[in-house]
Amino acid sequence: GAVVSQHPSRVICKSGTSVKIECRSLDFQATTMFWYRQFPKKSLMLMATSNEGSKATYEQGVEKDKFLINHASLTLSTLTVTSAHPEDSSFYICSASAVSVNQPQHFGDGTRLSIL
Amino acid sequence: GQQLNQSPQSMFIQEGEDVSMNCTSSSIFNTWLWYKQDPGEGPVLLIALYKAGELTSNGRLTAQFGITRKDSFLNISASIPSDVGIYFCAGPHIQGAQKLVFGQGTRLTINP
Repeated sequence: GAVVSQHPSRVICKSGTSVKIECRSLDFQATTMFWYRQFPKKSLMLMATSNEGSKATYEQGVEKDKFLINHASLTLSTLTVTSAHPEDSSFYICSASAVSVNQPQHFGDGTRLSIL
Repeated sequence: GQQLNQSPQSMFIQEGEDVSMNCTSSSIFNTWLWYKQDPGEGPVLLIALYKAGELTSNGRLTAQFGITRKDSFLNISASIPSDVGIYFCAGPHIQGAQKLVFGQGTRLTINP
């Protein structure tokens, strides 16, 4: 089945550091990938839609300068949390779906980001 | 709006029991997706439903796409410890572009 790989699985870093998270579709091409944030015991909150070859589309209230998204190829999207602060600590999850119609989204295993 | 309401929010059952959970909306959906999320991991797709009235099984899991297209249910038969987790329903966002709307989740706990 479709596999989405997310790396790293866990990051612990100091406040002010920028952190890059990678999302790869391993066995299919994805023109669109999605980045979610999940708070404890809550559902997934969509942050942005990553579009291959063009700018990402951010959801209302998400700072695009804080959460930089790059979708350089059909199999790779990256999320960079710039100048991270403790309030950015969270579980970040990416997803992707194949180009074909009616292909459901498949999710990566998530990245646990902890900012000290 | 396009909200998905899942119930129950949590379930505490004995191993071996059957489980039933549902997802409802005030608006029509053309696709229903059921995902399971284990602690510290991303959601995994369990079942995808594309047609009203469709009943689809995946092992001990069975899901149905409601005939009104405003609801879906997921059943788990003879639950086992590894069924523990959070179950999310999801459907296409009205804005399209492959975006999804998620329910709040049903947290399943199993007592051995």
